[in-house]
Amino acid sequence: GALVYQYPRRTICKSGTSMRMECQAVGFQATSVAWYRQSPQKTFELIALSTVNSAIKYEQNFTQEKFPISHPNLSFSSMTVLNAYLEDRGLYLCGARFRDRPYEQYFGPGTRLTVL
Amino acid sequence: GDSVTQTEGLVTLTEGLPVMLNCTYQTIYSNPFLFWYVHYLNESPRLLLKSSTDNKRTEHQGFHATLHKSSSSFHLQKSSAQLSDSALYYCALSDPPGANTGKLTFGHGTILRVHP
Repeated sequence: GALVYQYPRRTICKSGTSMRMECQAVGFQATSVAWYRQSPQKTFELIALSTVNSAIKYEQNFTQEKFPISHPNLSFSSMTVLNAYLEDRGLYLCGARFRDRPYEQYFGPGTRLTVL
Repeated sequence: GDSVTQTEGLVTLTEGLPVMLNCTYQTIYSNPFLFWYVHYLNESPRLLLKSSTDNKRTEHQGFHATLHKSSSSFHLQKSSAQLSDSALYYCALSDPPGANTGKLTFGHGTILRVHP
């Protein structure tokens, strides 16, 4: 079955430093990968969507300069939170879609970021 | 933009009683996809139900929901709650494939707590 792994599951970084997180699709090739953030007391917000053969599309309030994403192949994506501050803390989810079920997203368990 | 509103906060039920979690949505598209995800602590959000067909009941693992475009609703129901149903439930909306956004818009989530 389709599985999505994320690494690390939890991380702590100092304010002003950067943190890289990874997303791996196993058992299928992801035609698109979406990164979401759930800040405390909020729901999941889309940060950016990365689709095969297309440029990465960032949502309003999120930029490539702050959240650079790498999507080198159909199974792997990484995102970095640059210069993390308190407002960047939360759960970062990776959601992947694959060709046979383009309307469904399969999620990883998330990377929980704490900023000190 | 798209929005999803679902039953707020915590719903507490006695085992064996029926479950109903409300979900309504707003979108400019006439053919959106609606989803219910179930999220257990420290696990990946898992797709529970999905639908894009008006007035057609969809069922999975004892849960069911019917998309009603006339009322923009996709309420989650189950006839008899089980202890293992205790989890966080998210209603989510996806634009149709033609919109090419690939974005899921989530509600704020509803915590369902089932007690003996």
